[in-house]
Amino acid sequence: AQRVTQPEKLLSVFKGAPVELKCNYSYSGSPELFWYVQYSRQRLQLLLRHISRESIKGFTADLNKGETSFHLKKPFAQEEDSAMYYCALAGGGSQGNLIFGKGTKLSVKP
Amino acid sequence: NAGVTQTPKFRVLKTGQSMTLLCAQDMNHEYMYWYRQDPGMGLRLIHYSVGEGTTAKGEVPDGYNVSRLKKQNFLLGLESAAPSQTSVYFCASSTYRWRDTQYFGPGTRLTVL
Repeated sequence: AQRVTQPEKLLSVFKGAPVELKCNYSYSGSPELFWYVQYSRQRLQLLLRHISRESIKGFTADLNKGETSFHLKKPFAQEEDSAMYYCALAGGGSQGNLIFGKGTKLSVKP
Repeated sequence: NAGVTQTPKFRVLKTGQSMTLLCAQDMNHEYMYWYRQDPGMGLRLIHYSVGEGTTAKGEVPDGYNVSRLKKQNFLLGLESAAPSQTSVYFCASSTYRWRDTQYFGPGTRLTVL
């Protein structure tokens, strides 16, 4: 079964500290993984996807098929990074759902 | 270019009442989706559509119906609202398939008393 696990409901760091939001997935095929972000009072939006291998707002995420993980990392957290972060998995062919994790709330303190 | 819009933004219903949520997109996307977001549960797919005139069930379809009569609109109906349907509802659309970026609406906060 397809599943996305985000083990931390809340992650609190100080400004300038490194941050890592964990995401583990369960999928037998070749997954496509995403990170979506929801800032306060804003709509959910795509942050990055593994296939693009890009860095957005200083965030990166590497797909580790051996550990079935897609952790989101940023070396120096900023207060404006405070938001709800969702990891999502797309698989299952043309009719496969996009499966979201339960989300991690990141709080960056000054 | 408004992207994805949702109507209404807020609504309070009494148990047993019915209502329709409207989602509209102006990006000519084929795929449209309805999700509900509950605390500690993330986003769960209710129904989706892969094109005009088509709909399909998602993960949590019970108690909801949908219609996609026009490509740009996707309607979510609650026939007989229940308190368990209190949630924030998000509509999204994408170009063609699940693996494409999904663009979300601002959400509708629904309370069923």
